[in-house]
Amino acid sequence: AQSVTQPDIHITVSEGASLELRCNYSYGATPYLFWYVQSPGQGLQLLLKYFSGDTLVQGIKGFEAEFKRSQSSFNLRKPSVHWSDAAEYFCAVGAAPAASKLTFGTGTRLQVTL
Amino acid sequence: DADVTQTPRNRITKTGKRIMLECSQTKGHDRMYWYRQDPGLGLRLIYYSFDVKDINKGEISDGYSVSRQAQAKFSLSLESAIPNQTALYFCATSDYRVNEQFFGPGTRLTVL
Repeated sequence: AQSVTQPDIHITVSEGASLELRCNYSYGATPYLFWYVQSPGQGLQLLLKYFSGDTLVQGIKGFEAEFKRSQSSFNLRKPSVHWSDAAEYFCAVGAAPAASKLTFGTGTRLQVTL
Repeated sequence: DADVTQTPRNRITKTGKRIMLECSQTKGHDRMYWYRQDPGLGLRLIYYSFDVKDINKGEISDGYSVSRQAQAKFSLSLESAIPNQTALYFCATSDYRVNEQFFGPGTRLTVL
């Protein structure tokens, strides 16, 4: 069965500092991997996704993630965090095709201090 | 206009009542999903449908049922609501052309 682990429940960073959110997955085949962001009171917005090819993927809002098969990881990074990045971030793994049956991690809540 | 809409956005009900949450999409996707979100648990899949004649149970289907009335409509029902079904419910859609799921704004359900 597929699973996703986000080991950090809550992270606090200062505005302008770099950010890395961890995600480890378990999946029997080549995974489809996603990062979603949920701002307070909002739905989920896709930040980026990985299916194949270049293991470093770029997303919206200046985020990037790196797929490391040997470590079963797909960590999300941003070089300089903005106060508006405060939100909850979810990593998910899904099946091909059509990104069906996503399994989500439990989320990491990001707090940004000014 | 939103591509994936959910009604109602908020609902408070009492234990034992029957509740229906509705989802509509204008994206033309064939696959639709219902998730619930609980604090500290992330999103968990309740039911999913790959086309109008296809309904599948997800991770936590007990106490829920669904209906796919048309390609664009997917409803979630709680036949007899109980307090531990208090949660935020999301509908999502996808298809093979885009390989990602698009989420509605969510329905916050409170069962007293």
